[in-house]
Amino acid sequence: DIQMTQSPSTLSASVGDRVTVTCRASQSIRSWLAWYQQKPGTAPKLLIYKASSLEGGVPSRFSGSGSGTEFTLTINSLQPDDFATYYCQQYDSYATFGPGTRVEI
Amino acid sequence: QVQLVQSGAEVKKPGASVKVSCKASGYTFTGYYIHWVRQAPGQGLEWMGRINPNTGVTDYAQYFRGRVTMTRDTSISTVYMELSRLTSDDTAVYSCARGPGNGASYSTHWGQGTLVTVSS
Repeated sequence: DIQMTQSPSTLSASVGDRVTVTCRASQSIRSWLAWYQQKPGTAPKLLIYKASSLEGGVPSRFSGSGSGTEFTLTINSLQPDDFATYYCQQYDSYATFGPGTRVEI
Repeated sequence: QVQLVQSGAEVKKPGASVKVSCKASGYTFTGYYIHWVRQAPGQGLEWMGRINPNTGVTDYAQYFRGRVTMTRDTSISTVYMELSRLTSDDTAVYSCARGPGNGASYSTHWGQGTLVTVSS
């Protein structure tokens, strides 16, 4: 199975900051990576698919990059609504989620 | 609009099985994979497997093989996930989620989740 790691596990930031979350795969997953945002008690929300494609309705301050084994999620000008946990997911071989990155104030 | 409505919370004893349903509406049921994902209290997301509602073909995560069964009933646009030999480690919210329609295993729409509690 493909293993996913994320760093950092927790990130402290302020409104207006630029935030970057890193996701690494144990082997190449080409560009088959998605990013989700999850708030407590709610279902995950798809932000990015195919490493850099923005899901419809997602604000343009979210962006994704990378290929192979290393990927990043960037949030430009962090907004109050963005404080949440972010998960990456590979879907090159079945699917595996990363452990999550909590973005807190 | 796309909706996935799951069955209600369950309490099971260790060793028992649980079967969770996921009723789809608002789109062509047979056109999109359904995935099952679980989340233990305070923990991350865990992909369990997927089913092609058109063919019934399933793919399961290695950890769950032999213990999980996913089925569908196209007449009522419903997918089922059954997990057997439950232990306390299986206490979690189980969610169904719909894929994007091209066979990729990410999810665009989610059910509301079903809490399964395993306790003696």
